[in-house]
Amino acid sequence: SAVISQKPSRDICQRGTSLTIQCQVDSQVTMMFWYRQQPGQSLTLIATANQGSEATYESGFVIDKFPISRPNLTFSTLTVSNMSPEDSSIYLCSVAERGRYNEQFFGPGTRLTVL
Amino acid sequence: AQSVTQPDIHITVSEGASLELRCNYSYGATPYLFWYVQSPGQGLQLLLKYFSGDTLVQGIKGFEAEFKRSQSSFNLRKPSVHWSDAAEYFCAVESGNKLVFGAGTILRVKS
Repeated sequence: SAVISQKPSRDICQRGTSLTIQCQVDSQVTMMFWYRQQPGQSLTLIATANQGSEATYESGFVIDKFPISRPNLTFSTLTVSNMSPEDSSIYLCSVAERGRYNEQFFGPGTRLTVL
Repeated sequence: AQSVTQPDIHITVSEGASLELRCNYSYGATPYLFWYVQSPGQGLQLLLKYFSGDTLVQGIKGFEAEFKRSQSSFNLRKPSVHWSDAAEYFCAVESGNKLVFGAGTILRVKS
């Protein structure tokens, strides 16, 4: 399975600022996903990021708030813009390997606290 | 829309005792089902998956799960729990290349 790293692992930010989270994979993958896990809750898919195309956002998530880049098959970034305390969550990226879209592997997550 | 229900928010078992975590899904066709585990401060680790075939699937760390179509269930089991199994467990169903997760079950292990 792919090895996935995320940076930063955690951060504390002030409201109104933005944070960019990086997701790096040790092999080329077709699909990358970004999830949010709010405190005490399950995972919610934010968007699917495919290389060479615009990210596809789920209902309730918009590009202006969560812009995503996917410059190549091993890297993606998620930016949380104009943050508020409600954005305090764990943000996880996951990947699905070529030909095995059903099986996703997750990174360690980025724990974000907004004051 | 596809959904996953994990009826138990918390479960406490004694070390060495058997474990069963419940998962029910709502899905029109044959589902692709997964169990993930999340240890404190960690990401999610895939325990096992069901795509087709044998309805009893074996996973890592001694876990197994049984797919029962008639009950729309995919319960996770382990015959003897270890203290290191204390974590949160998520059941998920694949829907259009996306995973829909249940709310999770927190497992506490008492010695």
